[in-house]
Amino acid sequence: QKEVEQNSGPLSVPEGAIASLNCTYSDRVSQSFFWYRQYSGKSPELIMSIYSNGDKEDGRFTAQLNKASQYVSLLIRDSQPSDSATYLCAVNIEDSGGGADGLTFGKGTHLIIQP
Amino acid sequence: ETGVTQSPTHLIKTRGQQVTLRCSSQSGHNTVSWYQQALGQGPQFIFQYYREEENGRGNFPPRFSGLQFPNYSSELNVNALELDDSALYLCASSLGGSSSPRDTQYFGPGTRLTVL
Repeated sequence: QKEVEQNSGPLSVPEGAIASLNCTYSDRVSQSFFWYRQYSGKSPELIMSIYSNGDKEDGRFTAQLNKASQYVSLLIRDSQPSDSATYLCAVNIEDSGGGADGLTFGKGTHLIIQP
Repeated sequence: ETGVTQSPTHLIKTRGQQVTLRCSSQSGHNTVSWYQQALGQGPQFIFQYYREEENGRGNFPPRFSGLQFPNYSSELNVNALELDDSALYLCASSLGGSSSPRDTQYFGPGTRLTVL
């Protein structure tokens, strides 16, 4: 049973500070990792994808992956009030012959950026 | 905008009825996946279609079924609706081949289904 765990929050961060969102996963064969942002009442929007150990930066966002520790994180620098949303961590694994398993999501972390 | 559209936006049904939800994938995307998102939860994988064939299914009963058409559109059908089927239904389209783990999925706006 694949599981993805996230702290549900809310995580409150002052405007301009760094927001750090964490995610752990149970399946060691997980291959791909995604962070989605979801505003209330809207659908998930892709923020970052990461496949290899280490850091990947895109603008104010940095994704960090440590496969040995089964841990993936998202850092948001210079946090803005518009970053207030729920952040979903999702993992995908290689098809072992039984068909696609789709993305496995955590429950999401609710992030609040305080002006 | 992801180029993925869904209809209708909202839907109200009663227990025992049947419903069809529709999705139009981004042009050129051969794969569509459907997810159910209950309030306060992450999306849960229902099934995936690749080139009009189902190629993966999550832990959902057979009353959840789907179709994918050659024109990048797809349907999710749910029979014998139950109260617990009330959720946001999301379709996601992706470019890559069958079951590619690096295939990035782009979500449509979703259909909010309420079962009374």
